[in-house]
This record gives sequence, structure tokens and C-alpha cells, in this order.
Amino acid sequence: AQSVAQPEDQVNVAEGNPLTVKCTYSVSGNPYLFWYVQYPNRGLQFLLKYITGDNLVKGSYGFEAEFNKSQTSFHLKKPSALVSDSALYFCAVSLPLTDSWGKLQFGAGTQVVVTP
Amino acid sequence: EAQVTQNPRYLITVTGKKLTVTCSQNMNHEYMSWYRQDPGLGLRQIYYSMNVEVTDKGDVPEGYKVSRKEKRNFPLILESPSPNQTSLYFCASSDLWTSPHNEQFFGPGTRLTVL
Repeated sequence: AQSVAQPEDQVNVAEGNPLTVKCTYSVSGNPYLFWYVQYPNRGLQFLLKYITGDNLVKGSYGFEAEFNKSQTSFHLKKPSALVSDSALYFCAVSLPLTDSWGKLQFGAGTQVVVTP
Repeated sequence: EAQVTQNPRYLITVTGKKLTVTCSQNMNHEYMSWYRQDPGLGLRQIYYSMNVEVTDKGDVPEGYKVSRKEKRNFPLILESPSPNQTSLYFCASSDLWTSPHNEQFFGPGTRLTVL
């Protein structure tokens, strides 16, 4: 069974400082990994994904994520946070080309609060 | 505009009264899915559909039904709602077959309260 863990319920950061949101996963096989963001009263929006290749993935709004196979992690990062980055962030994993490839497993979410 | 729409956006109902939440996408996506979002639990997948007339259970299918008679629509049916189905529901779609990366497009959500 696949699972995703986001160990921090909330991350607080001052505007202009680096932002990191942690994600670890547990799957058997080669997963696809995703980050989504949810702004208040909105649906989820796709940020970035890791499929294969370069371990550093760049996405929307200046975000990037680093895939680390040995640590089974996929942490989301932004060099300089903005107040507008305050939102709920979800990590997700899927196992393509298997019997479960239609399933997408989400973490519990991490609330990011960026203060001016 | 490419989008996933859900109706209704808000619904308050009573235990046992059958209801349907509609979901429609205009992107010709084969894949569609329903999730529920609960505090501290993230999103949990209820059902998904890889194509017309093909549906599969997600992680929390109990108490829900779905159908996929047309490519664009994927309604979620609660035959006999109970208070533990009070939640925020999201529909999503994806162009899974031509680009199997499961990047999903989400609807705006339906907040359901079952009294």
C-alpha cells in the first residue's frame, strides 16, 4: 500500500525567507510525486510533479521540489516566500502502470503561514 | 475555459435523504475522481473512473455510488447520507491516457452537511 506523510501541520515563515514543506512517501515501485496547493475556499491547484530524471523539479510560482529516493522524500521549497504563498499544501503519490495507477494518495496537508 | 464544475456548491440535508452531487468537465478527460477532504486527514479518494462505464473504488467508497455513462460527467450519489459524510467534496479530472502523469484538475468543491 502506498502512503504519504507530511510531518508538519503548519509551517511559519517570514516573508523573504526560504520556505520548505516536507513530504515523505512509502510505496513499492517507482512513484509519481506531486505537490498541490489549496487557497482558501478554492479547489486544489497543481504545482509540480516528479516523474523521472532530474531530482530537482521546478514548478509554478517559483516553487521547486527535490526528489530523494534514498530518503523517500519529496520536499517542496521556495527560496523567498511571499505573503501570497500562505495556503494549504498537499503532497501526493501515485503508482502508474500498475493495478493501482488510478489511485492518488494525498498527505494530510501542511498549512503555510507567511508573515510580512 | 477549461474547467471542472460541481453542483451544488453547498448543501445541507438530513440523514437518509438521497442526494446527488454532479461533476462535469469540458476537457475531454478520460479519468475522473471524487475525493473528500476532512481536517487532519487530507484528501481521501472515494471512487475513480478510468473511462466511460469503468469505475473503481478508492480508499473510502463506503456509503457512496458513482456512475460514468458519459465522458464528461461523473456524479456522486449518496443513497442514504449519514452525519459522518459531512465533508468537503472535490471532483477532479485528468488526461490520463495520453499523458499518464495524473496531473489532476480540481473542481471548486461541494460542502455537504448531513444533519
